[in-house]
Amino acid sequence: GDSVTQMEGPVTLSEEAFLTINCTYTATGYPSLFWYVQYPGEGLQLLLKATKADDKGSNKGFEATYRKETTSFHLEKGSVQVSDSAVYFCALHTGGFKTIFGAGTRLFVKA
Amino acid sequence: GAGVSQSPSNKVTEKGKDVELRCDPISGHTALYWYRQSLGQGLEFLIYFQGNSAPDKSGLPSDRFSAERTGGSVSTLTIQRTQQEDSAVYLCASSDSGWDTDTQYFGPGTRLTVL
Repeated sequence: GDSVTQMEGPVTLSEEAFLTINCTYTATGYPSLFWYVQYPGEGLQLLLKATKADDKGSNKGFEATYRKETTSFHLEKGSVQVSDSAVYFCALHTGGFKTIFGAGTRLFVKA
Repeated sequence: GAGVSQSPSNKVTEKGKDVELRCDPISGHTALYWYRQSLGQGLEFLIYFQGNSAPDKSGLPSDRFSAERTGGSVSTLTIQRTQQEDSAVYLCASSDSGWDTDTQYFGPGTRLTVL
C-alpha cells in the first residue's frame, strides 16, 4: 500500500543553519505531496505542496521539489530561525482520497 | 471565516464508557476527514466523508468506532466501550472538494484520555 517515510527526529540546529528533512514515498498512482507543520500549542497547518512531478512548493523560506524518479519530497530551508521550531509532517494524497502522513520530524532551533 | 472547530477540546473518560467527539468543518467544504494522533506517532487516517457519498471507513481500527455526518456538515465520531489504547488526540480536517490536490484544514483536536 501507499506509505510515507520521513527522517526520525528530533533534529536540533543552531539559528541560521541549513535544514533538510528527508521524505520518501511509495504510491501506486500519482499523488499530490504535502508538508504540514504543527507549531507548539497549535493545530496542523499546510506549509507547502506540489501536485505533479518536478513541481516545487515553497513558503516561508521552505522549499520542496516533487521528484518522481527518486520518489522523494525533501524539505529544505537555507537559514532556520528559532520560530521554525515545530513538528513537520510529510504527506501524500492520492485519488483514493486517503491521505497518508509520515510519523513527523520534530525540529528544535537554538538561538 | 471561521476555521474547523472541534469539541470538546479535552475529554477524560473511564474505560468502558462511550464518548462522542464533534467536528464543525469550514462552511462549504464538502470533504471531511478524521485522524488519530497518538503520542509520538504520526497521523492515522480513520474515516473520510465526501458530500453525500458513502464514507470511506477503511481506517477505522475496530467496530467500536463509528462516525456520521449530518446534512453534509457537522460530523460526530463515536467510540463505544473505550479502551486505554484509544487515548490520543483526534483531529478533524475539511477540504473544499476532497480532490488529491486540495489542502486540508485542521481543527485544534480533541485530546481523549481513557483511564
